[in-house]
Amino acid sequence: EAGVAQSPRYKIIEKRQSVAFWCNPISGHATLYWYQQILGQGPKLLIQFQNNGVVDDSQLPKDRFSAERLKGVDSTLKIQPAKLEDSAVYLCASSTSGGSSPLHFGNGTRLTVT
Amino acid sequence: GESVGLHLPTLSVQEGDNSIINCAYSNSASDYFIWYKQESGKGPQFIIDIRSNMDKRQGQRVTVLLNKTVKHLSLQIAATQPGDSAVYFCADPSGSARQLTFGSGTQLTVLP
Repeated sequence: EAGVAQSPRYKIIEKRQSVAFWCNPISGHATLYWYQQILGQGPKLLIQFQNNGVVDDSQLPKDRFSAERLKGVDSTLKIQPAKLEDSAVYLCASSTSGGSSPLHFGNGTRLTVT
Repeated sequence: GESVGLHLPTLSVQEGDNSIINCAYSNSASDYFIWYKQESGKGPQFIIDIRSNMDKRQGQRVTVLLNKTVKHLSLQIAATQPGDSAVYFCADPSGSARQLTFGSGTQLTVLP
């Protein structure tokens, strides 16, 4: 079984620029998550999708972050404009049935904002 | 605030010894817990999970113990190996939509 795929692996941008991350979940996984992991901390949920609908985006800074999951498969997370504090690893995860089954994570995109 | 939290940010053990990583949770209604291992430069990797109707669950070299009375769970790693060096997280679906919430992690270092 192929794992969760994410790209790019690394990204360096200047503040106020925009950036996008892509995620392809495990085939058949209906639930998709984006997490932000700041160095030294545990992952923090940004947004959760069930198929192509948003289940929870309460911790997504909507003035600058947006995410979509067209067709209920792949997903993109965008930041525009980026701030220095957005420097983090952005992790995508998927699962078969929300919070009652393990999440499978990709290796993340490491974003550095200078 | 956090629903789950780990007791120690770092733990060092000798190769071959057993490791015990502890985690406390605050929500008495939590019914499912997962342990993840995160190696440097990688995403968290599922290790083992346990549901609240169990007190103990064993995997390959790992055992999770759940004490609902004191809201505590632990991950035990037998015969710790260098490849076990990583950050370990406990997590539970404590969000309103059962979103998985992570603790702050314990860095396990295996000494030769």
